[in-house]
Amino acid sequence: RKEVEQDPGPFNVPEGATVAFNCTYSNSASQSFFWYRQDCRKEPKLLMSVYSSGNEDGRFTAQLNRASQYISLLIRDSKLSDSATYLCVVPLYSSASKIIFGSGTRLSIRP
Amino acid sequence: GAGVSQSPRYKVAKRGQDVALRCDPISGHVSLFWYQQALGQGPEFLTYFQNEAQLDKSGLPSDRFFAERPEGSVSTLKIQRTQQEDSAVYLCASSLGQLISGELFFGEGSRLTVL
Repeated sequence: RKEVEQDPGPFNVPEGATVAFNCTYSNSASQSFFWYRQDCRKEPKLLMSVYSSGNEDGRFTAQLNRASQYISLLIRDSKLSDSATYLCVVPLYSSASKIIFGSGTRLSIRP
Repeated sequence: GAGVSQSPRYKVAKRGQDVALRCDPISGHVSLFWYQQALGQGPEFLTYFQNEAQLDKSGLPSDRFFAERPEGSVSTLKIQRTQQEDSAVYLCASSLGQLISGELFFGEGSRLTVL
């Protein structure tokens, strides 16, 4: 099993729709989790951290399920500008010396 | 500069050539990571430095890959005897400390094409 696995996508949804992605991780010792966004031919950038209690930032909600070892990202009222690849990020060790990215989920928002 | 700087942005090499890719992290950032990203894939971990110490190199695909950060700031990723499968974007990222308390800042990457 890969250390971090994501829904492959691509997701193609209309503007205004709600869309959700999942990411599973294999290392039960991982303590922190992140979602990064990568636009085409650009570098990844932090979208949001994922906290144990779940967290919300505007239209974006991230949740963690430790028992099932997955994290999720929910985007409400999607905008054309949300079109990008969303990367799940998991530091494998508490020292955060090896940080693993998922293969990414491509999202395309259509007018 | 304010961000992570990588050079060259684009490199075309003939198979068998050696290449060197440079990364200038954000000043004062302790942690430095190298990733390899093939088309349509997520970034694959290569190696990690904490200051000048290379603490993890488990992701380097072969002994043709070598990375260093001798003074704890600028880092160089060297690929010897390049092969076509080395074609990818090589991303460098830095963070102030451990990722747990911060975020990774990426450079724009060095796109390597091996002919």
